Amino acid sequence: KAGVTQTPRYLIKTRGQQVTLSCSPISGHRSVSWYQQTPGQGLQFLFEYFSETQRNKGNFPGRFSGRQFSNSRSEMNVSTLELGDSALYLCASSVWDRSRRVGYTFGSGTRLTVV
Amino acid sequence: KQEVTQIPAALSVPEGENLVLNCSFTDSAIYNLQWFRQDPGKGLTSLLLIQSSQREQTSGRLNASLDKSSGRSTLYIAASQPGDSATYLCAVSCGEFGRIQGAQKLVFGQGTRLTINP
Repeated sequence: KAGVTQTPRYLIKTRGQQVTLSCSPISGHRSVSWYQQTPGQGLQFLFEYFSETQRNKGNFPGRFSGRQFSNSRSEMNVSTLELGDSALYLCASSVWDRSRRVGYTFGSGTRLTVV
Repeated sequence: KQEVTQIPAALSVPEGENLVLNCSFTDSAIYNLQWFRQDPGKGLTSLLLIQSSQREQTSGRLNASLDKSSGRSTLYIAASQPGDSATYLCAVSCGEFGRIQGAQKLVFGQGTRLTINP
């Protein structure tokens, strides 16, 4: 069973540009969450999508956005990149078993460097 | 606001020792707690998931406990090996908007960087 796939693995962008990251969840998982990891702030929640709807959003500026497609694949977009956006972006998929979420499975991440 | 703390921030022990990593959280209203492992520059690997109604989970040499009322969890690693060297992260799953199913997020601790010396 394939895991969570994130593309690309590495990105270098210039300040002011925009970037789109992609995440394909485990087959059958309809929930996709995004997290940002930096040395200073650790892992922080960006947003979660479930059945193409944003269910929850973290405390990030509007430059960070996302969407989910009917096949559960998700993309996140960051516009007007800033140096502080340099981070490892992690995607996680999860599934519900009756009324309980059966954990999160993370991808390998996309390392974004803004220069 | 949920806050998760992990102690110690770093730990270095000789191979073969048993060790305990600690995690505490401020709000007991959690759905579950998950322990992850992260190797340098890589993603997160799930180790153990404890639902809020459970007290512990075991997988091989790993045992995790959960005391929701006191806001604590421990990860016990038996007979440590150099391959166990990594950063260990604790995360609680909690709801942001009441307890609406699906509107949840993980709140992470800062991790414990573990080094097992041969």
